[in-house]
Amino acid sequence: GDSVTQMEGPVTLSEEAFLTINCTYTATGYPSLFWYVQYPGEGLQLLLKATKADDKGSNKGFEATYRKETTSFHLEKGSVQVSDSAVYFCALSDVYNFNKFYFGSGTKLNVKP
Amino acid sequence: EAQVTQNPRYLITVTGKKLTVTCSQNMNHEYMSWYRQDPGLGLRQIYYSMNVEVTDKGDVPEGYKVSRKEKRNFPLILESPSPNQTSLYFCASSRGQGFIDEQFFGPGTRLTVL
Repeated sequence: GDSVTQMEGPVTLSEEAFLTINCTYTATGYPSLFWYVQYPGEGLQLLLKATKADDKGSNKGFEATYRKETTSFHLEKGSVQVSDSAVYFCALSDVYNFNKFYFGSGTKLNVKP
Repeated sequence: EAQVTQNPRYLITVTGKKLTVTCSQNMNHEYMSWYRQDPGLGLRQIYYSMNVEVTDKGDVPEGYKVSRKEKRNFPLILESPSPNQTSLYFCASSRGQGFIDEQFFGPGTRLTVL
């Protein structure tokens, strides 16, 4: 079945450091891929998405490229801020049932001033 | 303000006592879904609904029921809660099918079953 694997956290960085959070997936075909962010005490918010291979999603300085060869969708940001501290979830929607979603376990990011 | 609301936000109950967690959205969204969030497991989909009177199972539907009698409401029902249903629950909605449109999440309901 479908699944999403994320790197273990927490990830601790200093402000202005480069961020990479790894995400790989297992699915039949080419699912749509998402990154969601969860700030403390809140629900999830969509950060970016990509719906086909080689697409690059971007938002608020974050980027992720849909790599079908490596079945990956790694999240990157060139210079993190303290306000980026949150939990980040990688997710996919099933190819054969677009209404079904699979999330990774989440990666907590701590950014220190 | 466009939002998804859930009630209650916190609930402590005992094994076997039926409970309902309500979810309501004011965006006229067709699609709604319930998830549970557990440490190390991320979010897992319980049930989803494509429109009024149309619901289907997600990945972990056992022990839960849902109904969609009105477009704006999508309650989650636990007929006989057990301790393994202790979790953080999120309701979400989107305009159309989730793979195209952004899902908007509620603030969460933290449930403890003793």
